[in-house]
Amino acid sequence: AQSVTQLDSQVPVFEEAPVELRCNYSSSVSVYLFWYVQYPNQGLQLLLKYLSGSTLVESINGFEAEFNKSQTSFHLRKPSVHISDTAEYFCAVSEGGDSSYKLIFGSGTRLLVRP
Amino acid sequence: NAGVTQTPKFQVLKTGQSMTLQCAQDMNHEYMSWYRQDPGMGLRLIHYSVGAGITDQGEVPNGYNVSRSTTEDFPLRLLSAAPSQTSVYFCASSLRSGNTEAFFGQGTRLTVV
Repeated sequence: AQSVTQLDSQVPVFEEAPVELRCNYSSSVSVYLFWYVQYPNQGLQLLLKYLSGSTLVESINGFEAEFNKSQTSFHLRKPSVHISDTAEYFCAVSEGGDSSYKLIFGSGTRLLVRP
Repeated sequence: NAGVTQTPKFQVLKTGQSMTLQCAQDMNHEYMSWYRQDPGMGLRLIHYSVGAGITDQGEVPNGYNVSRSTTEDFPLRLLSAAPSQTSVYFCASSLRSGNTEAFFGQGTRLTVV
């Protein structure tokens, strides 16, 4: 069975500092990987995704994540965070092919950016 | 284009009451799902549907019922509310294959007293 582990429940960081949010998954088959972001009192929005091809994927607001098959990881990074990045971040995995729609989520990491 | 619409946004129920959480999408997505979000537990899948007339159980289905009579609508029914069902509920939809970005509603915050 698939599972997703986000080791850090909360990550405090100062504005303009770099940040890494960790995500590890377990699966016996090829997977699709996602990062979703949830701003306060809102639903989840897709931040970035890995389906195939280049293992480094980027979002429009400066986040990036790298798929590492040997370490079964998909860590999210940003070189310089802003106050507006304060949110909860969820890593998710799905199997490819006919089951690609079924997402399994991690427990989430709350990113708290301080001035 | 409204995306995924959930109603109500907030609800307080007494133990034993029943109610239906509504979810509608206007993107012609085959796949729809319901999650509950609890602190420290992420999102857990309750029920899902891959098309009209087809539903299946997720990770935590007990105490909930669903139906999918149309592509657009996927209501979630609480049969007899319990305090353990106090949570934030999210509905999501996506295509069934290919670019399976999930689109989420704004959530329903349910309190059972």
